[in-house]
Amino acid sequence: EDQVTQSPEALRLQEGESSSLNCSYTVSGLRGLFWYRQDPGKGPEFLFTLYSAGEEKEKERLKATLTKKESFLHITAPKPEDSATYLCAVQASTGFQKLVFGTGTRLLVSP
Amino acid sequence: GAVVSQHPSWVICKSGTSVKIECRSLDFQATTMFWYRQFPKQSLMLMATSNEGSKATYEQGVEKDKFLINHASLTLSTLTVTSAHPEDSSFYICSASGKTHYEQYFGPGTRLTVT
Repeated sequence: EDQVTQSPEALRLQEGESSSLNCSYTVSGLRGLFWYRQDPGKGPEFLFTLYSAGEEKEKERLKATLTKKESFLHITAPKPEDSATYLCAVQASTGFQKLVFGTGTRLLVSP
Repeated sequence: GAVVSQHPSWVICKSGTSVKIECRSLDFQATTMFWYRQFPKQSLMLMATSNEGSKATYEQGVEKDKFLINHASLTLSTLTVTSAHPEDSSFYICSASGKTHYEQYFGPGTRLTVT
């Protein structure tokens, strides 16, 4: 069974304090790994797709990396507006585009 | 690009009534649409997957007669919660993907409260 585990469950940072979020996964053939950001009371916002081990993608203060077993979302010099829940999901190469989500990491960045 | 809208953003209905939620892809053709529900401080739970013009595929444990899904066009899917009960109160979110990308783009969600 495809499975995604995210850690930590919650993370509190000071503004400017860089850190990383972890997403460990098991999947029967990876088609893609996705990162989303979700603000309270809103739908998830797409951030990145990673397809193969070694791939990296960046967007502003965020950088996502992928290995065969896990993905990291690195946050460099975060700002309070980066506070949100970050969700990781995998899509298997079999199955019908279904995403399997982790439970997310709630990030709070204090000024 | 890749904008998905939902309507209404919130709805309150009485127990026993039905409520319809619309999901639209505004700037791309959504060959596949998905419906999720999310409880407070929990992750998204996939309810069903639908392709345009086909019957929806429901996840195990989701009552297809209670949660009716229609995907009549490449830009519109609807979820109808029939004979709603208070335990159906939740945050319902749709997503859509197109022919040229695997990413799912999510709508803003609909907060349903059944009294």
